[in-house]
Amino acid sequence: GAGVSQSPSNKVTEKGKDVELRCDPISGHTALYWYRQRLGQGLEFLIYFQGNSAPDKSGLPSDRFSAERTGESVSTLTIQRTQQEDSAVYLCASSLAASNEQFFGPGTRLTVL
Amino acid sequence: AQSVSQHNHHVILSEAASLELGCNYSYGGTVNLFWYVQYPGQHLQLLLKYFSGDPLVKGIKGFEAEFIKSKFSFNLRKPSVQWSDTAEYFCAVMMYNQGGKLIFGQGTELSVKP
Repeated sequence: GAGVSQSPSNKVTEKGKDVELRCDPISGHTALYWYRQRLGQGLEFLIYFQGNSAPDKSGLPSDRFSAERTGESVSTLTIQRTQQEDSAVYLCASSLAASNEQFFGPGTRLTVL
Repeated sequence: AQSVSQHNHHVILSEAASLELGCNYSYGGTVNLFWYVQYPGQHLQLLLKYFSGDPLVKGIKGFEAEFIKSKFSFNLRKPSVQWSDTAEYFCAVMMYNQGGKLIFGQGTELSVKP
C-alpha cells in the first residue's frame, strides 16, 4: 500500500443528503491536501492539514464543507446537505512535509442528483 | 487572487511532432512549479518540478520545462511526442510560505494521433 488511497471511488447521492469521503495518505506524510475537480476544470484547493491541524481552510466553498484528520493518518471530508453543484471529483494528496512534492490519490467521483 | 493560465485547452498532434504547452502564473513572489499528468483512467502523477537552480528541468518520459521568471512562465516541451503521451496535463504553482497548497491551471488535453 504505497500510494494514497481514497474511498469510495464513486458516490451517488440525492440532493440534501450528507456524504463523507475518506483519504488514507502515504504513511509518514505529515501534510495532507484536499482538492476538487469539476468537469472540464482544473483542480481547486479546498483545505490543507499539517498533522491533525488545518492551518489553511481557505478553499472550502461554504460552511456545508468540513474536514478532519486523525493524527497524521486518515482524513475525512464531509459535505452536508449536498447540492448539485457539489458534483465533482474530490482528490486527496499527501506529502512528506508542506512544500514537498504531493502524491495524489485516485479521487472520489461524487454525483449529486 | 493568484492564478495559473494554460493557453491551450486541447492540442492534437501527430506522432513525432514537437510539443510545447504554455503555462503562466500571476504571483510576484518565490514559487515552486510543477507539471502533473493524468493518463486516461489513471490518477495524477508528477511529470517534473522546479524548486530552484537550473531553470531548465527535465522530467520523466523525455519531457522538460523551462522557468522564465521575467515572463512568469513554465512551459512544458517534448521534442517528439508518442501516442502514449495522450493525456491531460496540468501546470501547478506553489507559493512560498503558503503551506504547500497548489494552484492549478485548467489543464490541457493532448491527443496524439498514431
